[in-house]
Amino acid sequence: AQSVAQPEDQVNVAEGNPLTVKCTYSVSGNPYLFWYVQYPNRGLQFLLKYITGDNLVKGSYGFEAEFNKSQTSFHLKKPSALVSDSALYFCAVISNAGKSTFGDGTTLTVKP
Amino acid sequence: GAVVSQHPSWVICKSGTSVKIECRSLDFQATTMFWYRQFPKQSLMLMATSNEGSKATYEQGVEKDKFLINHASLTLSTLTVTSAHPEDSSFYICSARDSGVRNQPQHFGDGTRLSIL
Repeated sequence: AQSVAQPEDQVNVAEGNPLTVKCTYSVSGNPYLFWYVQYPNRGLQFLLKYITGDNLVKGSYGFEAEFNKSQTSFHLKKPSALVSDSALYFCAVISNAGKSTFGDGTTLTVKP
Repeated sequence: GAVVSQHPSWVICKSGTSVKIECRSLDFQATTMFWYRQFPKQSLMLMATSNEGSKATYEQGVEKDKFLINHASLTLSTLTVTSAHPEDSSFYICSARDSGVRNQPQHFGDGTRLSIL
């Protein structure tokens, strides 16, 4: 069975500092990996995806993620955090059958 | 980009009432839509997968008779919470993919906050 783990419930960073939100996965076959962001009382917004090709994927709002096959990880990163980046972040994987599995989410708080 | 519209955004009603939530794909056709439930500060719980023109596939533990899902067209799916009770209070979110290709992201509605008194 496929699974996604986001080991940190909460990540706190200071504005201007780099941020990392961790994600590891388990899936049969080639993984299709996604990151989404959720603001309070809103649905999820797509940030970026890895399908194939370069291991470093760039997405919306300056975010990027690095696919590491050997470590089965897909960590979300941003070189310089903004207060407005504070939100709930979800990592997701899609199986060969097209079923999505989401991680439990990580709350990112960026302090001024 | 692809937009999913979910309505209403907020519902407050008395216990025993049935509540219908609509999910529409505005600029694409969605053969498959997904319904999630989210508790405060928690992850998404997939309730069911809705396929146009056929019965929904419910996840284990989700009551089919309680949460009625209809996907009558390629742009509309509805979730009806029948005889709602306070324990049904939650944030419900729908999503859809705009093609059958699995490398496409899901597009989410803005959710419906359901409060049962």
